[in-house]
Amino acid sequence: NAGVTQTPKFQVLKTGQSMTLQCAQDMNHNSMYWYRQDPGMGLRLIYYSASEGTTDKGEVPNGYNVSRLNKREFSLRLESAAPSQTSVYFCASSEGGTRVYEQYFGPGTRLTVT
Amino acid sequence: AQTVTQSQPEMSVQEAETVTLSCTYDTSENNYYLFWYKQPPSRQMILVIRQEAYKQQNATENRFSVNFQKAAKSFSLKISDSQLGDTAMYFCAFPPWGGTASKLTFGTGTRLQVTL
Repeated sequence: NAGVTQTPKFQVLKTGQSMTLQCAQDMNHNSMYWYRQDPGMGLRLIYYSASEGTTDKGEVPNGYNVSRLNKREFSLRLESAAPSQTSVYFCASSEGGTRVYEQYFGPGTRLTVT
Repeated sequence: AQTVTQSQPEMSVQEAETVTLSCTYDTSENNYYLFWYKQPPSRQMILVIRQEAYKQQNATENRFSVNFQKAAKSFSLKISDSQLGDTAMYFCAFPPWGGTASKLTFGTGTRLQVTL
């Protein structure tokens, strides 16, 4: 049982390049999330998917797009990377539904945009 | 808006001692959950403990316990018998009640160093 997996673990991009961060979970969770973590700012929600087929904006969605490919997979795309998007990105999942469940996190992706 | 505040950027404690990390939050909801997450140097986010606001009893998990003061909107984490492996960033997190996703709002974290 791998839990939540993310690829890649590290990435360096030049300004203007695009890339997709991949996330998968094997816990049969309904809800999935993308966060970014910047020094001194905790984790901030970028996008989330309450259930397969739905996606919604979080606190800091600008410059990002997401796709909930199926129940297991939730990808985050940067169409034109900017230095301000240098951060550590975390994917998470939870059971979902009307009850509040704790989230389980992937190991993170460290992205540097030069 | 719902906010979470951790006012202690860094703390240090000696091995085997007890330390308390503070967290305050703001919400207009009556039913909600609160979480403490630990992030060791490996960067992995690990759930430490959860508290349900409608429960009077403070949550405990082995050496970890909370002091939940609903009226004061305070949710502190107490670590007893501190161990070197407790060295990490600790984040208080708070999800809004309702809806179909458990979105989390995180505090800015407290860096805890456990020393010999």
